[in-house]
Amino acid sequence: AQTVTQSQPEMSVQEAETVTLSCTYDTSESDYYLFWYKQPPSRQMILVIRQEAYKQQNATENRFSVNFQKAAKSFSLKISDSQLGDAAMYFCAHKTGANNLFFGTGTRLTVIP
Amino acid sequence: DADVTQTPRNRITKTGKRIMLECSQTKGHDRMYWYRQDPGLGLRLIYYSFDVKDINKGEISDGYSVSRQAQAKFSLSLESAIPNQTALYFCATSDSRTGGIYGYTFGSGTRLTVV
Repeated sequence: AQTVTQSQPEMSVQEAETVTLSCTYDTSESDYYLFWYKQPPSRQMILVIRQEAYKQQNATENRFSVNFQKAAKSFSLKISDSQLGDAAMYFCAHKTGANNLFFGTGTRLTVIP
Repeated sequence: DADVTQTPRNRITKTGKRIMLECSQTKGHDRMYWYRQDPGLGLRLIYYSFDVKDINKGEISDGYSVSRQAQAKFSLSLESAIPNQTALYFCATSDSRTGGIYGYTFGSGTRLTVV
């Protein structure tokens, strides 16, 4: 069965600082995909970054990067130079070829001015 | 216009009422999904459809039904709403040609309150 665990229900960061959101997952598959989605107060689900399990290089999108540790089944999101607009719920999600997108419980990020 | 449109955006209904949430998409995707979001539980899959004739139950389908009227339209019904169905509901789409490996496209959600 798919599992995705986000152990930090809430996190806060000072504006311009760096924060890391944790995610662990479990799967018996060797080929899969991992995602971080952002949900601001507008409720829209916005794809922030994705990682392909067969790629060793960590994905990066501007100020957002991941630390993908395949052996540990860990997929953390690092947000650098945090901005007020980064305040949101962040969901980690996992997908194998056969299964649908499976989400963690989310981390609410507060950015302190 | 949004790629995935959900109506209504917000809805308050009474216990025992039948309610339908609608979703339409202009992405040209063949796969569509309904998720439910609850605080502390994340998003959980209710139903999914890989094409018009293919409907599948997800993790939490009890109390819900769906209809895929066309490739672009997928509606979710609560036959007799109950208060614990109060939640934020999302419709999503993906393309079978890529198998969803680039993620799903989500609508803006319907916030449903059952009183």
